[in-house]
Amino acid sequence: KAGVTQTPRYLIKTRGQQVTLSCSPISGHRSVSWYQQTPGQGLQFLFEYFSETQRNKGNFPGRFSGRQFSNSRSEMNVSTLELGDSALYLCASSREGLQSRDEQFFGPGTRLTVL
Amino acid sequence: TQLLEQSPQFLSIQEGENLTVYCNSSSVFSSLQWYRQEPGEGPVLLVTVVTGGEVKKLKRLTFQFGDARKDSSLHITAAQPGDTGLYLCYAGGTSYGKLTFGQGTILTVHP
Repeated sequence: KAGVTQTPRYLIKTRGQQVTLSCSPISGHRSVSWYQQTPGQGLQFLFEYFSETQRNKGNFPGRFSGRQFSNSRSEMNVSTLELGDSALYLCASSREGLQSRDEQFFGPGTRLTVL
Repeated sequence: TQLLEQSPQFLSIQEGENLTVYCNSSSVFSSLQWYRQEPGEGPVLLVTVVTGGEVKKLKRLTFQFGDARKDSSLHITAAQPGDTGLYLCYAGGTSYGKLTFGQGTILTVHP
C-alpha cells in the first residue's frame, strides 16, 4: 500500500511569510503527527491529530498550527516565518495514535528554508 | 534538557566491528521504540520494547529494555556499511507529555 506522502518536498520562503505543508497518511490511519527536525534540536514533537481533533501539542509557539480533514489528510501552517524555522518537517501516521504504541510511519519530509 | 539522552552522538567505525548505542532517562516509560533514518527519508521503525528486561533480536541487531524501563540499548554485531544512518530512540510514558525522541546517534560504517 502507498506510504505517507508529503508535499512539497522542498520550500524556500523569506522571513515574515507564511507556509502550509501537506501530509497524506496511509489509508486507514487516523492519526497524523508532525515533527520538526534540526541538527541542533533533533526531532521535536509539534502536534498530533486524530479523527480531525488535535490530541496533543508540543512546546511550539502559536505560529505553528495544524488541522486534519475528514479523509485524515493533514496540513501544518507556520505564520510569520523566522530564520529559526528552517528545518525538515516530518509527518507520521499511525492507525490508533501515539498513545497506543503503534508504529509510526513517516513521510520523507518537507525541507523548509527561510531566508 | 532532553528527556531521552542518547550516546554516543556520533560513531564512526570500520565494517565488521561491533557497537552499542545507549538511550537513557530518569523517567519510566511504558514502551520504547528504536527507529533508523537514512538521508532524505523519514525514520523507519526497527523495534518496540515494552517489558522491563526485554531483549529482542533483529538479525545482527540486539535491543534491550532496562529492568526499570528507564533505559535501552541497541547493539550491532559485525556492522556493515548498510547500517549507516541516524538511530533514534522514542519513548511514550504514562503522561502524554513525555512523548519524545532522543537526539539520535549518527552511525557511519566504513567499508
